[in-house]
Amino acid sequence: DTGVSQNPRHKITKRGQNVTFRCDPISEHNRLYWYRQTLGQGPEFLTYFQNEAQLEKSRLLSDRFSAERPKGSFSTLEIQRTEQGDSAMYLCASSLAVLGGNEQFFGPGTRLTVL
Amino acid sequence: GEDVEQSLFLSVREGDSSVINCTYTDSSSTYLYWYKQEPGAGLQLLTYIFSNMDMKQDQRLTVLLNKKDKHLSLRIADTQTGDSAIYFCAERPINEIIFGKGTRLHILP
Repeated sequence: DTGVSQNPRHKITKRGQNVTFRCDPISEHNRLYWYRQTLGQGPEFLTYFQNEAQLEKSRLLSDRFSAERPKGSFSTLEIQRTEQGDSAMYLCASSLAVLGGNEQFFGPGTRLTVL
Repeated sequence: GEDVEQSLFLSVREGDSSVINCTYTDSSSTYLYWYKQEPGAGLQLLTYIFSNMDMKQDQRLTVLLNKKDKHLSLRIADTQTGDSAIYFCAERPINEIIFGKGTRLHILP
């Protein structure tokens, strides 16, 4: 295992379509995070899972966004009825939550363009 | 409003030291981080510091933390062309990481 992987790397879609992204974390990591990064900004937290439980959601995560991690391994992030404002890089990170440490390792991201 | 602030650009001559500064707001942050992002690449964790430390050195990187002023800096000694990237300062109050907007480091020949 060489790190966090994300698929696809690029997605172009038309406004109103649904899209789904996948993240495969580092295998022994129990926490998985989703962030969004727009041009000229730092990443912004969206949500995170510990194992299969979604423990926190940002107010940035509108009702059109849903994330799952059904078996506590890979995760999917779905955006329904995409809008042009959803265009961004979607980053996934994972960590091994242990007492005193929680380094998050990031994947390469999925760049979404909504036309 | 921004919880983590850093200057947007820094130009440094090759071989000189680069110093990137950052201020943060949440005094409960246990960890403070520096990430590096190169074009088309993901975020790479460069280094981090615990809030009970005031300095950490790792090869060419030196992190200084002034907890009283909530000020964090990253010094890169002997800056090389490969150091050209965007550097993000970040804090972690609880679980999620809060990032600044990033400082774009430009290396002059």
